[in-house]
Amino acid sequence: AQSVAQPEDQVNVAEGNPLTVKCTYSVSGNPYLFWYVQYPNRGLQFLLKYITGDNLVKGSYGFEAEFNKSQTSFHLKKPSALVSDSALYFCAVEPSGSARQLTFGSGTQLTVLP
Amino acid sequence: EADIYQTPRYLVIGTGKKITLECSQTMGHDKMYWYQQDPGMELHLIHYSYGVNSTEKGDLSSESTVSRIRTEHFPLTLESARPSHTSQYLCASIGQGAGEQYFGPGTRLTVT
Repeated sequence: AQSVAQPEDQVNVAEGNPLTVKCTYSVSGNPYLFWYVQYPNRGLQFLLKYITGDNLVKGSYGFEAEFNKSQTSFHLKKPSALVSDSALYFCAVEPSGSARQLTFGSGTQLTVLP
Repeated sequence: EADIYQTPRYLVIGTGKKITLECSQTMGHDKMYWYQQDPGMELHLIHYSYGVNSTEKGDLSSESTVSRIRTEHFPLTLESARPSHTSQYLCASIGQGAGEQYFGPGTRLTVT
């Protein structure tokens, strides 16, 4: 069975500093990988995805993520954090041949301090 | 913003009541999903549909039921609400190809 781990429940970073939100996965085959963000009392918003090709994926709002097959990781990064980036971030995996079902990580609350 | 809508956004209801949470999308997506998001914020798939007249249960056991009579509409029904059903319910859809799921704004349900 597939699984996604976000080892940090909470990440705090100062505004202007780089941020990293970690994600590792366990799934057979070549999965699709996604990052979503959730603001309070809102649904999930898509940030970026890895399907195939270049291991570095760029997404919305200056975020990027690096797919590392050997480490089965897909960490989310941003060079310079903004206070408005404070939100709940979810990593998700869609196993190949899963008929488009996502398995989500437990979420990481990012707080950017002014 | 994706064209996927959920109503109501917030609902407070007494135990034993029957409720229906609405989800509609205008993108013509064939696949639709319902997730339950617990207070710990984890997301669990409770129902999905791959098209009209197709519904399946997800990973998390749920006492709710769903229907898919029209492509754009995927309502979720609780026949008898209980406090344990208090949660946020998120609807999502996806089209063809290697795209991402689009999520609605969610319904926050409180059962007293």
